[in-house]
Amino acid sequence: DAKTTQPNSMESNEEEPVHLPCNHSTISGTDYIHWYRQLPSQGPEYVIHGLTSNVNNRMASLAIAEDRKSSTLILHRATLRDAAVYYCILRNAGNMLTFGGGTRLMVKP
Amino acid sequence: DSGVTQTPKHLITATGQRVTLRCSPRSGDLSVYWYQQSLDQGLQFLIQYYNGEERAKGNILERFSAQQFPDLHSELNLSSLELGDSALYFCASSPPFGGSYNEQFFGPGTRLTVL
Repeated sequence: DAKTTQPNSMESNEEEPVHLPCNHSTISGTDYIHWYRQLPSQGPEYVIHGLTSNVNNRMASLAIAEDRKSSTLILHRATLRDAAVYYCILRNAGNMLTFGGGTRLMVKP
Repeated sequence: DSGVTQTPKHLITATGQRVTLRCSPRSGDLSVYWYQQSLDQGLQFLIQYYNGEERAKGNILERFSAQQFPDLHSELNLSSLELGDSALYFCASSPPFGGSYNEQFFGPGTRLTVL
């Protein structure tokens, strides 16, 4: 699977939007961009995924650059419960998930 | 609650021993995946089963083996345990359609401590 690069950590204030970046300059045309998060002491949890167009769901929005070499996960109003490690993953034909280091998001009250 | 169950929640054992971790996927899901999360290696894919057959293999040691039974539950067997096998072991399942759309649903994990 192609590699992704994310900042090690980010900090946000509660109730404010959070933009979590991910670089994937070697993405192939058939790679889907998936985001998972892992809350403390829990298993990973699916957040959102997309291919080329921006995507919205009840948890977050995914903005994908036109050249697809980067993407941004947007949490519209961060809450304390959003404090987690966020993983950006590229998926192709294989169903397994290849996790990188992720971004640890800290939310301040 | 993802609908994926794992037992036991915690397991403490000694080096050289053998343990079995159990996973029950969500109702209707045919794929089961096993992942290992350790402090130094992060989250790593071990192995996938689909409807009883091995589908993909990742960084799984020869001392480890898995199987998926006709009722679709899966077991991960770890033998000749070493201190470095101490980790969180997650099971995930996914529905039988969608390919790369497939969301994986993770269980709460089994924490293995090897002393």
